[in-house]
Amino acid sequence: GENVGLHLPTLSVQEGDNSIINCAYSNSASDYFIWYKQESGKGPQFIIDIRSNMDKRQGQRVTVLLNKTVKHLSLQIAATQPGDSAVYFCAESPSNQFYFGTGTSLTVIP
Amino acid sequence: NAGVMQNPRHLVRRRGQEARLRCSPMKGHSHVYWYRQLPEEGLKFMVYLQKENIIDESGMPKERFSAEFPKEGPSILRIQQVVRGDSAAYFCASSPRRGQDNSPLHFGNGTRLTVT
Repeated sequence: GENVGLHLPTLSVQEGDNSIINCAYSNSASDYFIWYKQESGKGPQFIIDIRSNMDKRQGQRVTVLLNKTVKHLSLQIAATQPGDSAVYFCAESPSNQFYFGTGTSLTVIP
Repeated sequence: NAGVMQNPRHLVRRRGQEARLRCSPMKGHSHVYWYRQLPEEGLKFMVYLQKENIIDESGMPKERFSAEFPKEGPSILRIQQVVRGDSAAYFCASSPRRGQDNSPLHFGNGTRLTVT
Protein backbone atom coordinates (compact mmCIF):
# COMPACT_ATOMS: atom_id res chain seq x y z
CA GLY A 1 0.00 0.00 0.00
CA GLU A 2 0.91 3.62 -0.06
CA ASN A 3 2.45 5.49 2.83
CA VAL A 4 0.36 8.43 3.86
CA GLY A 5 1.58 9.69 7.21
CA LEU A 6 0.73 12.39 9.68
CA HIS A 7 3.32 14.44 11.55
CA LEU A 8 1.33 14.81 14.79
CA PRO A 9 -0.65 11.89 16.14
CA THR A 10 -2.38 14.02 18.80
CA LEU A 11 -3.26 17.67 18.99
CA SER A 12 -4.90 19.66 21.79
CA VAL A 13 -6.17 23.17 21.18
CA GLN A 14 -8.10 25.73 23.16
CA GLU A 15 -11.63 26.43 22.06
CA GLY A 16 -11.64 29.37 19.70
CA ASP A 17 -8.07 28.89 18.55
CA ASN A 18 -7.12 27.75 15.06
CA SER A 19 -6.01 24.16 14.46
CA ILE A 20 -3.54 22.91 11.89
CA ILE A 21 -3.28 19.22 11.06
CA ASN A 22 -0.49 18.08 8.76
CA CYS A 23 -0.10 15.15 6.42
CA ALA A 24 2.71 13.82 4.24
CA TYR A 25 1.99 11.67 1.21
CA SER A 26 4.35 9.59 -0.85
CA ASN A 27 2.90 8.95 -4.30
CA SER A 28 3.78 11.58 -6.88
CA ALA A 29 1.00 10.18 -9.08
CA SER A 30 -1.69 11.16 -6.56
CA ASP A 31 -3.83 13.87 -8.08
CA TYR A 32 -6.67 14.11 -5.59
CA PHE A 33 -6.61 14.57 -1.83
CA ILE A 34 -9.32 14.43 0.79
CA TRP A 35 -9.67 15.18 4.49
CA TYR A 36 -12.02 13.14 6.64
CA LYS A 37 -13.25 13.50 10.20
CA GLN A 38 -14.08 10.42 12.24
CA GLU A 39 -15.99 10.57 15.50
CA SER A 40 -16.05 7.70 17.92
CA GLY A 41 -18.21 4.81 16.72
CA LYS A 42 -18.85 6.34 13.34
CA GLY A 43 -17.51 6.15 9.83
CA PRO A 44 -15.23 8.79 8.33
CA GLN A 45 -17.06 11.90 7.23
CA PHE A 46 -15.96 13.96 4.24
CA ILE A 47 -14.69 17.46 5.13
CA ILE A 48 -12.98 18.93 2.11
CA ASP A 49 -11.05 17.85 -0.96
CA ILE A 50 -8.52 19.35 -3.34
CA ARG A 51 -7.20 18.44 -6.75
CA SER A 52 -3.53 18.56 -7.64
CA ASN A 53 -4.01 21.54 -9.96
CA MET A 54 -4.82 23.68 -6.92
CA ASP A 55 -2.75 24.63 -3.89
CA LYS A 56 -5.49 25.98 -1.65
CA ARG A 57 -9.17 25.43 -1.16
CA GLN A 58 -11.49 26.90 1.44
CA GLY A 59 -14.68 25.65 2.94
CA GLN A 60 -16.73 26.68 5.92
CA ARG A 61 -14.16 27.24 8.71
CA VAL A 62 -11.74 24.83 6.99
CA THR A 63 -8.92 25.38 4.54
CA VAL A 64 -6.81 22.73 2.83
CA LEU A 65 -3.34 23.57 1.57
CA LEU A 66 -1.42 21.38 -0.86
CA ASN A 67 2.33 21.60 -1.47
CA LYS A 68 3.19 19.17 -4.24
CA THR A 69 6.88 20.04 -4.15
CA VAL A 70 7.31 18.49 -0.71
CA LYS A 71 4.24 16.22 -0.90
CA HIS A 72 2.55 17.90 2.04
CA LEU A 73 -1.08 18.51 2.85
CA SER A 74 -2.56 20.45 5.72
CA LEU A 75 -5.99 21.09 7.16
CA GLN A 76 -6.66 24.33 8.94
CA ILE A 77 -9.71 24.69 11.16
CA ALA A 78 -10.62 28.22 12.17
CA ALA A 79 -12.14 29.02 15.56
CA THR A 80 -12.03 25.41 16.72
CA GLN A 81 -15.12 24.24 18.58
CA PRO A 82 -15.71 21.31 20.97
CA GLY A 83 -17.62 19.56 18.19
CA ASP A 84 -14.43 19.48 16.16
CA SER A 85 -12.92 16.96 18.57
CA ALA A 86 -12.37 13.82 16.48
CA VAL A 87 -9.73 11.91 14.55
CA TYR A 88 -8.77 13.48 11.24
CA PHE A 89 -7.48 11.48 8.29
CA CYS A 90 -5.97 12.59 5.05
CA ALA A 91 -6.31 10.43 1.96
CA GLU A 92 -4.48 10.50 -1.33
CA SER A 93 -5.88 9.14 -4.54
CA PRO A 94 -3.88 8.00 -7.53
CA SER A 95 -6.27 6.75 -10.24
CA ASN A 96 -9.26 5.02 -8.62
CA GLN A 97 -7.56 4.07 -5.37
CA PHE A 98 -7.66 5.83 -2.00
CA TYR A 99 -4.94 5.51 0.66
CA PHE A 100 -5.31 6.77 4.21
CA GLY A 101 -2.90 7.88 6.90
CA THR A 102 -3.04 6.79 10.52
CA GLY A 103 -4.89 9.88 11.67
CA THR A 104 -4.49 12.76 14.11
CA SER A 105 -6.62 12.92 17.22
CA LEU A 106 -7.80 16.49 17.85
CA THR A 107 -8.98 17.42 21.33
CA VAL A 108 -10.60 20.80 21.88
CA ILE A 109 -10.27 22.16 25.39
CA PRO A 110 -13.29 24.24 26.48
CA ASN B 1 -31.25 10.76 1.16
CA ALA B 2 -29.86 7.46 2.40
CA GLY B 3 -26.12 7.26 2.77
CA VAL B 4 -24.01 4.13 2.71
CA MET B 5 -25.76 1.48 4.77
CA GLN B 6 -23.86 -1.26 6.51
CA ASN B 7 -25.26 -4.13 8.52
CA PRO B 8 -25.03 -5.49 11.00
CA ARG B 9 -23.49 -2.70 13.12
CA HIS B 10 -22.10 -5.25 15.53
CA LEU B 11 -21.32 -8.88 14.86
CA VAL B 12 -20.03 -11.47 17.31
CA ARG B 13 -18.66 -14.74 16.00
CA ARG B 14 -16.86 -17.66 17.61
CA ARG B 15 -13.58 -18.79 16.16
CA GLY B 16 -14.15 -20.95 13.11
CA GLN B 17 -17.51 -19.45 12.19
CA GLU B 18 -18.26 -17.38 9.13
CA ALA B 19 -18.89 -13.63 9.12
CA ARG B 20 -20.91 -11.87 6.43
CA LEU B 21 -20.83 -8.10 6.27
CA ARG B 22 -23.22 -6.22 4.01
CA CYS B 23 -22.97 -2.86 2.37
CA SER B 24 -25.52 -0.97 0.32
CA PRO B 25 -23.85 1.95 -1.49
CA MET B 26 -25.40 5.34 -1.94
CA LYS B 27 -27.98 5.57 -4.69
CA GLY B 28 -26.28 6.00 -8.04
CA HIS B 29 -22.89 4.83 -6.81
CA SER B 30 -21.36 1.92 -8.68
CA HIS B 31 -17.97 1.76 -6.94
CA VAL B 32 -17.57 0.07 -3.56
CA TYR B 33 -14.49 -0.07 -1.34
CA TRP B 34 -13.93 -2.08 1.82
CA TYR B 35 -11.53 -0.95 4.55
CA ARG B 36 -10.50 -2.46 7.85
CA GLN B 37 -9.69 -0.43 10.95
CA LEU B 38 -8.09 -1.58 14.17
CA PRO B 39 -8.49 0.56 17.34
CA GLU B 40 -6.32 3.68 17.30
CA GLU B 41 -5.23 2.95 13.75
CA GLY B 42 -5.97 4.16 10.26
CA LEU B 43 -8.04 2.65 7.48
CA LYS B 44 -6.39 -0.18 5.65
CA PHE B 45 -7.60 -0.83 2.11
CA MET B 46 -8.91 -4.31 1.41
CA VAL B 47 -10.80 -4.45 -1.88
CA TYR B 48 -12.33 -2.25 -4.57
CA LEU B 49 -15.28 -3.47 -6.59
CA GLN B 50 -17.59 -2.30 -9.30
CA LYS B 51 -20.83 -4.04 -10.15
CA GLU B 52 -20.04 -7.73 -10.78
CA ASN B 53 -16.29 -7.05 -10.97
CA ILE B 54 -13.40 -7.05 -8.52
CA ILE B 55 -11.10 -4.24 -9.63
CA ASP B 56 -8.41 -4.39 -6.96
CA GLU B 57 -8.14 -6.93 -4.16
CA SER B 58 -4.50 -6.31 -3.33
CA GLY B 59 -5.33 -5.52 0.30
CA MET B 60 -7.32 -8.64 0.93
CA PRO B 61 -5.77 -11.68 2.66
CA LYS B 62 -5.38 -14.51 0.17
CA GLU B 63 -7.25 -17.01 2.30
CA ARG B 64 -10.61 -16.93 4.10
CA PHE B 65 -11.61 -13.49 2.78
CA SER B 66 -13.78 -12.82 -0.25
CA ALA B 67 -15.90 -9.99 -1.55
CA GLU B 68 -18.59 -9.56 -4.13
CA PHE B 69 -20.80 -6.83 -5.52
CA PRO B 70 -23.57 -8.51 -7.52
CA LYS B 71 -25.70 -6.88 -10.16
CA GLU B 72 -28.58 -6.77 -7.71
CA GLY B 73 -28.26 -6.38 -3.96
CA PRO B 74 -25.59 -5.23 -1.54
CA SER B 75 -21.87 -5.81 -1.59
CA ILE B 76 -20.82 -8.64 0.71
CA LEU B 77 -17.53 -9.07 2.55
CA ARG B 78 -17.23 -12.66 3.66
CA ILE B 79 -14.76 -14.00 6.20
CA GLN B 80 -14.63 -17.74 6.61
CA GLN B 81 -13.30 -19.57 9.66
CA VAL B 82 -12.79 -16.37 11.61
CA VAL B 83 -9.89 -16.00 14.03
CA ARG B 84 -9.41 -13.54 16.89
CA GLY B 85 -7.14 -11.42 14.72
CA ASP B 86 -10.09 -10.68 12.42
CA SER B 87 -11.70 -8.59 15.17
CA ALA B 88 -11.86 -5.06 13.83
CA ALA B 89 -14.18 -2.44 12.39
CA TYR B 90 -14.91 -2.97 8.72
CA PHE B 91 -15.96 0.06 6.74
CA CYS B 92 -17.56 0.22 3.36
CA ALA B 93 -17.40 3.28 1.15
CA SER B 94 -18.92 4.11 -2.19
CA SER B 95 -18.40 6.62 -4.95
CA PRO B 96 -20.09 7.38 -8.24
CA ARG B 97 -18.52 6.39 -11.51
CA ARG B 98 -15.21 8.20 -11.68
CA GLY B 99 -14.56 9.95 -14.90
CA GLN B 100 -12.60 13.13 -15.19
CA ASP B 101 -14.23 14.58 -12.10
CA ASN B 102 -12.84 13.37 -8.83
CA SER B 103 -15.35 12.18 -6.27
CA PRO B 104 -14.71 11.51 -2.60
CA LEU B 105 -15.61 8.27 -0.91
CA HIS B 106 -18.74 8.24 1.22
CA PHE B 107 -18.50 5.91 4.19
CA GLY B 108 -20.96 3.85 6.14
CA ASN B 109 -20.79 3.61 9.93
CA GLY B 110 -19.07 0.27 9.80
CA THR B 111 -19.54 -3.24 11.15
CA ARG B 112 -17.68 -4.03 14.34
CA LEU B 113 -16.68 -7.66 14.28
CA THR B 114 -15.72 -9.38 17.51
CA VAL B 115 -14.37 -12.90 17.42
CA THR B 116 -14.55 -14.77 20.70
